[in-house]
Amino acid sequence: AQRVTQPEKLLSVFKGAPVELKCNYSYSGSPELFWYVQYSRQRLQLLLRHISRESIKGFTADLNKGETSFHLKKPFAQEEDSAMYYCALSGGATNKLIFGTGTLLAVQP
Amino acid sequence: GAVVSQHPSWVICKSGTSVKIECRSLDFQATTMFWYRQFPKQSLMLMATSNEGSKATYEQGVEKDKFLINHASLTLSTLTVTSAHPEDSSFYICSASTSGRMNEQFFGPGTRLTVL
Repeated sequence: AQRVTQPEKLLSVFKGAPVELKCNYSYSGSPELFWYVQYSRQRLQLLLRHISRESIKGFTADLNKGETSFHLKKPFAQEEDSAMYYCALSGGATNKLIFGTGTLLAVQP
Repeated sequence: GAVVSQHPSWVICKSGTSVKIECRSLDFQATTMFWYRQFPKQSLMLMATSNEGSKATYEQGVEKDKFLINHASLTLSTLTVTSAHPEDSSFYICSASTSGRMNEQFFGPGTRLTVL
C-alpha cells in the first residue's frame, strides 16, 4: 500500500538549532517525493522535490531508497520557518499526491 | 505565476441544500485538477482527480453522487456537495497541474464549508 508517515505531529526547536522533520514512505515502484509547507493562514505551497536536488530557504532533503525515507533538514532554524510541513508522494501516471499527516514546526526565539 | 483561486472562501448552508465550490487556474491551463478534503488538524485526503473534458476519478470511499465534480474547461473545475449534512463540514482544497510543469500541483486557498 502507498503510504507516507510523518511520526512527529509537533517539533519545537530554538532559533539557530538544527531541524530534521522525518518522513518515511511505502511504495512499490519509484515514487517522486515532495515537501509542501503551509504557513499560518496561507495556502499549501511546494517547498522542494527530490528530483530537483535543490536547497530552498536553507532546507534540503535526500531520498534514501534503502531506508525509504525523505527527511527534511535545515542546519539553523529561523522563526519564520514556523509552519506546517507535509511530506507527499506521487507515483504512476495519475500524478496524484499522497500526503503524510504533517508536522508542525515551531521555532522559538 | 501558477495561481489557483477558489470561490467561495467560506460558506454556511442548511442541511439538505447543495453547495458549489469553484476552482480556477488564473494564469495557466490546468490539464488536471484535484480535490482534497482536510479535517481539523489532519492531513489532506484526496477525494478525486479530474481531467478536462472527462469524468472524474474518485478515490475509494468517496461517494461520486454526493460530491459531483465537473471539469468543463482547462481553467475551471467545480465541486458540488449535494444534499449537504453536518458531517460534510470540512475544509475543501483544490489543486491544479499542467503538463508543462511535470507533477507539480498548485494549490488553491481552500473553502471552509459549514453545514448547519
